[in-house]
Amino acid sequence: AQTVTQSQPEMSVQEAETVTLSCTYDTSENNYYLFWYKQPPSRQMILVIRQEAYKQQNATENRFSVNFQKAAKSFSLKISDSQLGDTAMYFCAFIGTQGGSEKLVFGKGTKLTVNP
Amino acid sequence: ETGVTQSPTHLIKTRGQQVTLRCSSQSGHNTVSWYQQALGQGPQFIFQYYREEENGRGNFPPRFSGLQFPNYSSELNVNALELDDSALYLCASSFPGLAGGETQYFGPGTRLLVL
Repeated sequence: AQTVTQSQPEMSVQEAETVTLSCTYDTSENNYYLFWYKQPPSRQMILVIRQEAYKQQNATENRFSVNFQKAAKSFSLKISDSQLGDTAMYFCAFIGTQGGSEKLVFGKGTKLTVNP
Repeated sequence: ETGVTQSPTHLIKTRGQQVTLRCSSQSGHNTVSWYQQALGQGPQFIFQYYREEENGRGNFPPRFSGLQFPNYSSELNVNALELDDSALYLCASSFPGLAGGETQYFGPGTRLLVL
C-alpha cells in the first residue's frame, strides 16, 4: 500500500523565521514523484513544490525547499523567511499508480500558522 | 490561460438524493481527477478520466460515477447520498507526459453538505 504520513498536525512560526514540515511515505515503486501542496483558508489547493524521485538534487522554489531522503523515504519542506501569507494547510502528496492512472496520495496535512 | 473551475461552490442535499458536480479543466489539459476531502483530512482519490474514459478508480462505491466530455470538462455524480458524503469535492486537471508524474492543478472545490 502507498501511504503518506505527516506527523505534525499543527505548527506555528514567527514571521521571518524558518520552519520545516515533515513527511514520510511508503511505496514499493522505484520511480515516483512527490509534491507539497498548500491549501489556504480560501481552500484552493496550490502546488508549492515538486520533486522527481530519480533526481538527487533537492527541489527549490524561492523561499521553499525540500530535503528529499530517498532511502529513508522522507520528504520534508523548509519554508524560509516565513510570511503571513504562508498560513495554510500543507499537504505532502505522492504520485502513485492505480489501474494505470496516476493518482495523488495525500497525507493528512499540517496546519501552519505564521504569527506576526 | 484559464484555470480549473468548479460549480457549484456550495450545495446542500438531503440523504437519499442525487447530486451532480461540474468541473472545467485548465486549458490544454485532457485528464481530470476527482478527490473527496472530508473535514480535517487530506483528499482521497475518487477516480480519473482521460480522453473521456475512466482511467482508474479509488475505494469508492459505484454510486459515485462520472463523465468526461469532448472538451475535457467533467461531472461527478453521486446517487443515494449518505451523511458521510458531506465533504469538499476537488477536481484537478493535468496533461500527462510520457514520464508521468505531471502536476495536477486543482479547482476551488464544491462543498457538499448532506442533511
